[in-house]
Amino acid sequence: QLQESGPGLVKPSETLSLACTVSGVSISSGDYYWGWIRQPPGKGLEWIGSINYSGTTFYNPSLKSRVAISVDMSKNQISLKQSSVTSADTAVYYCGRQFRGSAIYYMDVWGKGTTVSVSS
Amino acid sequence: QSALTQPASVSGSPGQSITIACTGTSSDVGGYNYVSWFQQHPNKAPKLMIYDVTKRPSGVSNRFSGSKSGNTASLTISGLQAEDEADYYCCSYAGSGTLVFGGGTKLTVL
Repeated sequence: QLQESGPGLVKPSETLSLACTVSGVSISSGDYYWGWIRQPPGKGLEWIGSINYSGTTFYNPSLKSRVAISVDMSKNQISLKQSSVTSADTAVYYCGRQFRGSAIYYMDVWGKGTTVSVSS
Repeated sequence: QSALTQPASVSGSPGQSITIACTGTSSDVGGYNYVSWFQQHPNKAPKLMIYDVTKRPSGVSNRFSGSKSGNTASLTISGLQAEDEADYYCCSYAGSGTLVFGGGTKLTVL
C-alpha cells in the first residue's frame, strides 16, 4: 500500500530525500491527506508534515524551515526533502495515508518505515 | 508546540483494565476534540486505535476506548490481554493544520 524508499545514510549538512510510493489508491482521488512521521532510535513519534493531492501542505513548526513535502501524481508518490541534517535527524521515517475524521485527517495506513542515519 | 505528556510506563494483569493519560494544554488537547491514539509493537509501524477522542476504526477491539476531560485525554484498555503489551502514543490537533504527539507509554502485561 505504501512503501518508503531512499538512501539509508546521509552526511551531516546534506539534504535527506525520501519517496513514498502509494499503491491501491490514486493520490489524485483527493480523498486523503498523506503524511510523514519519524521516530528516532528508542524515542517517540514526531509528526513532520502532511500534503493533499492539490499540494496543500502543513508542517511541524519546529521543522518547517528545513522540510518540503511534495506530490507527484504521475508516479503516485509523495516526497520528503529535509535540508541541513544533523545526527538528531537519525530516525525511522514513516509515510502514511490520512483519512478524514469529523474534521481533521488521521493516519490509518502506514508504510513499514525506512531507517535514515546521519553520519559522516 | 510542546509534546503531550504521558506516563513512561503502566502495567496490569491479564483481565484487568488500565488507563493511560495524555495531558496537553488549551492549545491542543483542551482546545479540540481531535485526539487519536496509536499502538506500536516493537519494530512495527504504529496502528491507529482511536480517533476523534472516542471513535474506533473498523477492526479495533471494543476493549479499547477513549475519553477526554479538559486538557487531558485518556485511553482505557479493558480485559487486558498479552497482545496488548506495546507502546501507546496519543496525538492531538494543535491548530493551523498541525499535529503533536505524546512521548509514549510502555504498557506491560504482567
